[in-house]
Order: sequence, then C-alpha cells, then structure tokens
Amino acid sequence: EAQVTQNPRYLITVTGKKLTVTCSQNMNHEYMSWYRQDPGLGLRQIYYSMNVEVTDKGDVPEGYKVSRKEKRNFPLILESPSPNQTSLYFCASSLRAGANVLTFGAGSRLTVL
Amino acid sequence: GNSVTQMEGPVTLSEEAFLTINCTYTATGYPSLFWYVQYPGEGLQLLLKATKADDKGSNKGFEATYRKETTSFHLEKGSVQVSDSAVYFCALSGETSGTYKYIFGTGTRLKVLA
Repeated sequence: EAQVTQNPRYLITVTGKKLTVTCSQNMNHEYMSWYRQDPGLGLRQIYYSMNVEVTDKGDVPEGYKVSRKEKRNFPLILESPSPNQTSLYFCASSLRAGANVLTFGAGSRLTVL
Repeated sequence: GNSVTQMEGPVTLSEEAFLTINCTYTATGYPSLFWYVQYPGEGLQLLLKATKADDKGSNKGFEATYRKETTSFHLEKGSVQVSDSAVYFCALSGETSGTYKYIFGTGTRLKVLA
C-alpha cells in the first residue's frame, strides 16, 4: 500500500531532551515536507526537500533540523525541544513539487513538558 | 507572497443542507488549487483539485471551480451527510522565488447534525 509512515504517533517528553520523528514513504516521491498543525493557525511548513540532499526552510524552521540522505526518509529532529513545540506534526510527500497531490502521514502528536 | 484565506468555522449544518466554504487566494503566476479534508484523528487527504482557470474539481459530491477573475476556489456540496463532518483545508501550490511551495489555509471545521 502506498503510504507515508510517521513514528512515533504520540510522544510526551521533557524540555531539552533531543528527539527524532521519523518519516518514510514507499512511493519513490522526490518531494517531502514537514508541517505543524496548531489550533487557529492551520498547517505551517517547517522544512521541505525537493530531492535527496536538497532541503530548505519553510515558514517556521526555528528549533528544528532535517536531513534527506535517502529518497524515502525525511526525519525531523528537535535538538532541544521546548514547550512551544508542543503540536501535531505531519509529514507529507509528492511525486514532485508543483501540481502534484500531497500524501500525508497520520500525524505525530508531541507534548513537551 | 502567496497566501490562502478561508472562512472561519466552525460551520454547523443539518443533514441534507447545502454547504459552501469560501476560499480566496493571492498568488503570482498560475498556481494549482486544492481542497484537503481531515477526518478526526487522521492525516489530511486530497478531496479535489484544479490546475488551471475555469477547471472544476469534483469528488464525493463536493465541487470547486478555479475562478481566476475573483481569485477564489469555494467548496460546495448540495446535500451534506453526517459522515462529512471533518476539517476542510484550502491550499495552493505555486512558484515563489524560484521554488514551489504549498500554502494552506487555516482550516474550516464542519459539523453535520443528524
């Protein structure tokens, strides 16, 4: 089944404890992206990647890192999480950027205490 | 830069009522337009899309027409069902500063009562 898989789905952590949210797609998509969803703010893009080894900042990149060493994987790294990073995170991918449809993962709900 | 504005919710309707969710956009060039739907506890999934002016996207009884003259892409359904209760996101994909970006609206929550 064609899908985007995120892990973990739920995580409670404490301020400053490094964590990684993994994202993997099995559709050979070039474009991958991370979003955070917050009440009243909709989806805001954190980082995106047009292809392997090509990443760029979205609208709210502060406090996050990403890497794209393989086409299928696009992990989101929080080096030193803070409470304002408590949010619902979505990974998405598409064949290419542009008119292509995004396929979303099921989401990762992160709470930072 | 590019932006999407959609009506705030929540929208509460009775079953079989007519639905309109307004969406307008600002963009340079010729963006593609999308409606995504998010059911409770799930990720977003594509509902419909349109890639050029006057295109009509349709799916599951929902429709939206790409209106370049009014920069709008309003979502409509003639008769909603309880199962349509979800959050609806308008989005565009367009070129900004030499790269393509997806821009999402803030989402409109729809609640349909039996």
